[in-house]
Amino acid sequence: DAKTTQPPSMDCAEGRAANLPCNHSTISGNEYVYWYRQIHSQGPQYIIHGLKNNETNEMASLIITEDRKSSTLILPHATLRDTAVYYCIVRPLLSGGYQKVTFGTGTKLQVIP
Amino acid sequence: ETGVTQSPTHLIKTRGQQVTLRCSSQSGHNTVSWYQQALGQGPQFIFQYYREEENGRGNFPPRFSGLQFPNYSSELNVNALELDDSALYLCASSGPPGQGNEKLFFGSGTQLSVL
Repeated sequence: DAKTTQPPSMDCAEGRAANLPCNHSTISGNEYVYWYRQIHSQGPQYIIHGLKNNETNEMASLIITEDRKSSTLILPHATLRDTAVYYCIVRPLLSGGYQKVTFGTGTKLQVIP
Repeated sequence: ETGVTQSPTHLIKTRGQQVTLRCSSQSGHNTVSWYQQALGQGPQFIFQYYREEENGRGNFPPRFSGLQFPNYSSELNVNALELDDSALYLCASSGPPGQGNEKLFFGSGTQLSVL
């Protein structure tokens, strides 16, 4: 799996958009960008994934640059419950029984009241 | 829809002992994987089970072993516990091919302390 680089920590004011960057300059053509988050004392939670087009769901938006070497996860209106460690992962699309995901150390997002 | 459940939530063992952790996968999911998460680190892949067989393994010694049962639930067994085995152990499941299986669903984990 391609390696990713994320800032170790970020702060965001409650109600504002949180923009979490991720660099993945060695990404391959068949590798997707996945984002998970882990709230303290819980297991990781899937947020969103994408290949090259921007994606949006009920939780967040994913913006991938045209050269696919970096991406940004956007939480449009951060709440205190969004305080968590956010992991950016690059890997082929999960299929069949192949579940290995390589997690880095992620970005610790602190939402401030 | 029932989520991924793990038991026990916390466990304390002494060095050299053996431990068994349990996981019930999400309804309809036939693939289960296990991860170890040390304090301050991201989860590290241990192995995965598909249709009751191990079909992928990370960089963990043979004293880490597992089982998957016909109902797709799973066990993680660790023999000869070492102090460095103290960690949060996470179980994840996903569905069969072609059914939105791009997502992993994680349980809340078992916190193992080895003294």
